[in-house]
Amino acid sequence: GNSVTQMEGPVTLSEEAFLTINCTYTATGYPSLFWYVQYPGEGLQLLLKATKADDKGSNKGFEATYRKETTSFHLEKGSVQVSDSAVYFCALRQYGGATNKLIFGTGTLLAVQP
Amino acid sequence: DSGVTQTPKHLITATGQRVTLRCSPRSGDLSVYWYQQSLDQGLQFLIQYYNGEERAKGNILERFSAQQFPDLHSELNLSSLELGDSALYFCASSVAGQGPQETQYFGPGTRLLVL
Repeated sequence: GNSVTQMEGPVTLSEEAFLTINCTYTATGYPSLFWYVQYPGEGLQLLLKATKADDKGSNKGFEATYRKETTSFHLEKGSVQVSDSAVYFCALRQYGGATNKLIFGTGTLLAVQP
Repeated sequence: DSGVTQTPKHLITATGQRVTLRCSPRSGDLSVYWYQQSLDQGLQFLIQYYNGEERAKGNILERFSAQQFPDLHSELNLSSLELGDSALYFCASSVAGQGPQETQYFGPGTRLLVL
């Protein structure tokens, strides 16, 4: 079945460091891919998305490229801030058919230190 | 603010009890989804409604049920509660629930603690 695998956390970085959070997926067909972020004590916020191969999603300095050949959607940011500390979830959605549910990875906790 | 509202924010109850969680989707969204976030299971899809009709079921227990009303708000009913039902319950909404461009927007969640 469809699944998402994320790198284990926590990831601890210093402010202004480069961030990569790896995400790979298993799916039939061409799913849409998403990154959601959960700040402490809050709900899930959509960070970015990509709906077809080679699409690049970007928002707030974060980027991820839909790579069909490697079934990956890695999240990157060139210079992290303390305010980026949160849990990041990679997710896929297989549209069409009876369900359009999101399938989430386990989440990666990012802690950015000043 | 996603535009999805959930009440209550927190709920503390005892085993064996029944609770109702409420969700109001974003204006114009017809599809509502319920998810459960727990430490051992992660984020799991429970059920989806579209314009009042059940569209898909995920890992939802028989003790749980949901419905979507004519004004499109939704309620998730959890009964005969067990300690293991303690979790964060999210509601999400989307315009129609289909198509590659569809995005689900999440509410702030209801944190349920069963004692």
